[in-house]
Amino acid sequence: ETGVTQTPRHLVMGMTNKKSLKCEQHLGHNAMYWYKQSAKKPLELMFVYNFKEQTENNSVPSRFSPECPNSSHLFLHLHTLQPEDSALYLCASSQGPGLREKLFFGSGTQLSVL
Amino acid sequence: AQTVTQSQPEMSVQEAETVTLSCTYDTSESDYYLFWYKQPPSRQMILVIRQEAYKQQNATENRFSVNFQKAAKSFSLKISDSQLGDAAMYFCAYRSGVNAGGTSYGKLTFGQGTILTVHP
Repeated sequence: ETGVTQTPRHLVMGMTNKKSLKCEQHLGHNAMYWYKQSAKKPLELMFVYNFKEQTENNSVPSRFSPECPNSSHLFLHLHTLQPEDSALYLCASSQGPGLREKLFFGSGTQLSVL
Repeated sequence: AQTVTQSQPEMSVQEAETVTLSCTYDTSESDYYLFWYKQPPSRQMILVIRQEAYKQQNATENRFSVNFQKAAKSFSLKISDSQLGDAAMYFCAYRSGVNAGGTSYGKLTFGQGTILTVHP
């Protein structure tokens, strides 16, 4: 257990549904991240939040909408997704600025879009 | 942009033997960090080992060690005395050491991964 909890563990949704992924970290970290892990592709960074402020959006389509209400919680709101959005979505956190900071990952949400 | 390449989609090793996973990367930066992450079936990414580019000495963590060849841009992972619990997907990752207006923290560039099977 790394101290980063993601729910749900699995999610199946239709293209017209709206759902949200949740991430919570119990480590007192200041930075949180969303990564996407697709089959046969390297992990891709989607969003970065530092002290609740979004500092990175890696050209992610607007059908993915992140929310960071505080430094411990991170959400990814999903709407009108496409089948190609099916992937493992990983949340991570780190202490924050600093060249030696270490990322702690959750176990991910396996998303299937039908 | 940086790229990370893992040329071995799958590797296997006998329990108690040694295995080496390969990783090469491409960058024009001189200051950066390299990582090996392990992803077991639980899906949780776990940091195995980290190497700072400015350090000439290869990093070691118990049974895990790296062979960092900066000029060749190579960063291989050696697992000694392999155990059944080492079976997982292993990812090589790169992170810039340079702050660019904001910070570079957390912005990891990953390779495609290598599936390691450990045979009893």
